Formats: sequence, structure tokens, C-alpha cells
Amino acid sequence: NAGVTQTPKFRILKIGQSMTLQCTQDMNHNYMYWYRQDPGMGLKLIYYSVGAGITDKGEVPNGYNVSRSTTEDFPLRLELAAPSQTSVYFCASTTNSPLHFGNGTRLTVT
Amino acid sequence: AQTVTQSQPEMSVQEAETVTLSCTYDTSESDYYLFWYKQPPSRQMILVIRQEAYKQQNATENRFSVNFQKAAKSFSLKISDSQLGDAAMYFCAYRRDMNYGGSQGNLIFGKGTKLSVKP
Repeated sequence: NAGVTQTPKFRILKIGQSMTLQCTQDMNHNYMYWYRQDPGMGLKLIYYSVGAGITDKGEVPNGYNVSRSTTEDFPLRLELAAPSQTSVYFCASTTNSPLHFGNGTRLTVT
Repeated sequence: AQTVTQSQPEMSVQEAETVTLSCTYDTSESDYYLFWYKQPPSRQMILVIRQEAYKQQNATENRFSVNFQKAAKSFSLKISDSQLGDAAMYFCAYRRDMNYGGSQGNLIFGKGTKLSVKP
């Protein structure tokens, strides 16, 4: 049972480039989330999904997009990378239980 | 909107001693959950302990226990017999009861407390 799997673990982007952070879970969880963690800060919610085909904005959605075509997958898309998006990104999932987190992606935009 | 405040950016404890990390929160709801997560340098988010607001009894997990004061909206974490492996960032988090209509189930985090353990 792999839990929540995020790829890649690290990535360096140039300003204006695009990329997709992948997240998949094998626990059949309906709820999935993307958080970002800036240095010295707690995690802030970017987007969330309550089930396949349903997504909504969190606290800090600007500059990001998501999709949820299956229960398992919840990719996060950065269209035009900016230095302000340098952060660690966490994907998480749950049903009605504590959140299960992936191991995070460290993204640097230069 | 709910908020979570951790007023101690850094704490230090001697190995084998006890340390308490503070957390306060603000909510108008009566049913919710509170969590403490540990984040070691590997950046994994590890659940330490959870507390259901409807339970008066404080949660305990081995060397970790909480002091939950619902009226005061306080949720502190006590670590007994501290070990070197306890050194990490600790985050307090709040979640609405997912049985509430419209609850997204997401966690609201404090800014964290960095715990150092001295040998």
C-alpha cells in the first residue's frame, strides 16, 4: 500500500516555464488537497477536490490549476512559473480521517 | 474563518526531559478536530496525535499527550522523556467536522514550532 505518491521530489524551473506536479493515492480517498509550505510558515491550501470531476480553490490558488479526472490522481499545474512559487508542495488525501500526506516536492523557480 | 496560532517559533529541551508546545485556535464551531503533526528534516508530515472536540478526555499516544481546553481554545502538546529523534518542526492543525455541510475536510495549520533536543 503506497499511500500518497508525489513526483518529482525536486525540480528547478526557469521563470515562465510550465510544469505539472503529479499526485496519486491508492486508498480510494474522495478528498484530495494541494498545499504549499513556504519557509517558516505552515501549510496553505492551494486547491482541493471532494471527488472525481469536482475541484475548488483554496486560500492561495493564483498561478495554479488542477484537474481530477479519476479518484486516484490529482495533478497540480503551474502555467507560467514565477519566483513567488518557489516552495515545497504537498499533496494529501482523506475520507473522514487524518490527512495522509505525500513526501512533498521542492520547487525552485529562478 | 478559523485560525491557528503557535506562539513559540522555537523551543529547546534536554534529552529525557519534558517539553510543552503551545497552540491556540479561533473558531465559532462546536464540532471539530485538532491535530499535531511532526515534520522532521526529511519534510515528511507525520501525525503525532489527534483530539476530537466532543471528547473531554485528553488524547495520549505513548510519550505524547495533549492538554485540550475547549473553552479557552487551547491545545498544547506535551512530550515526555524527550528523545533526539523528537527534534523536528511541530505543527498544530484544525479541521472542521466533515459531517458539516460544505466542509472540505482540509486542515488549517499554525506556523509551527521548531523543537531542538539537546543530548
